[in-house]
Amino acid sequence: AQKITQTQPGMFVQEKEAVTLDCTYDTSDPSYGLFWYKQPSSGEMIFLIYQGSYDQQNATEGRYSLNFQKARKSANLVISASQLGDSAMYFCAMREGQGNYGQNFVFGPGTRLSVLP
Amino acid sequence: DTAVSQTPKYLVTQMGNDKSIKCEQNLGHDTMYWYKQDSKKFLKIMFSYNNKELIINETVPNRFSPKSPDKAHLNLHINSLELGDSAVYFCASSQTQGNEQFFGPGTRLTVL
Repeated sequence: AQKITQTQPGMFVQEKEAVTLDCTYDTSDPSYGLFWYKQPSSGEMIFLIYQGSYDQQNATEGRYSLNFQKARKSANLVISASQLGDSAMYFCAMREGQGNYGQNFVFGPGTRLSVLP
Repeated sequence: DTAVSQTPKYLVTQMGNDKSIKCEQNLGHDTMYWYKQDSKKFLKIMFSYNNKELIINETVPNRFSPKSPDKAHLNLHINSLELGDSAVYFCASSQTQGNEQFFGPGTRLTVL
């Protein structure tokens, strides 16, 4: 079974509007972390935001916020005021386990976001 | 002041050859990773080392052998390269239980 699901292979958004990229996850581990990464066409992987499973508040980093709904096992990324430079692939990822051993990192298939002028 | 560096950036080689990709991080992190990104952009973890000790070893052919001479370096050696090994390989690092992985720029491997 897929551990990370991103149901939107491609998304379009008008410049300056907000967009939500969906991510659902599957784990039985009570301790886990959720990440979002951006990969522009140049290929590098850029960390955007992190949410821990025990965090009470939704994570925010500038124009990025993570809508964490633990009961639904969803961790959607919200980008406010989209910019042309936001056009990229976006990956949701999960780290299960903690400590030096037994950790596992899993990435979703990604969503390609295109920002229209 | 590059955080995570990989060499080479591009690697083109013939089937059957042996090649290595080097990775270095200057962040003082104690955990390093290798990922493979295929042509469909799917990212999969291959290995993870913590303080030079292997902690994650996903189902990867034993032609792939990571080597960590110290905690700032994690090199990937690949024997008997196959066409299916063509991909982009990313090195990354983090603090143990860290909330962020820093990725290198990637190495695009093409096997002919």
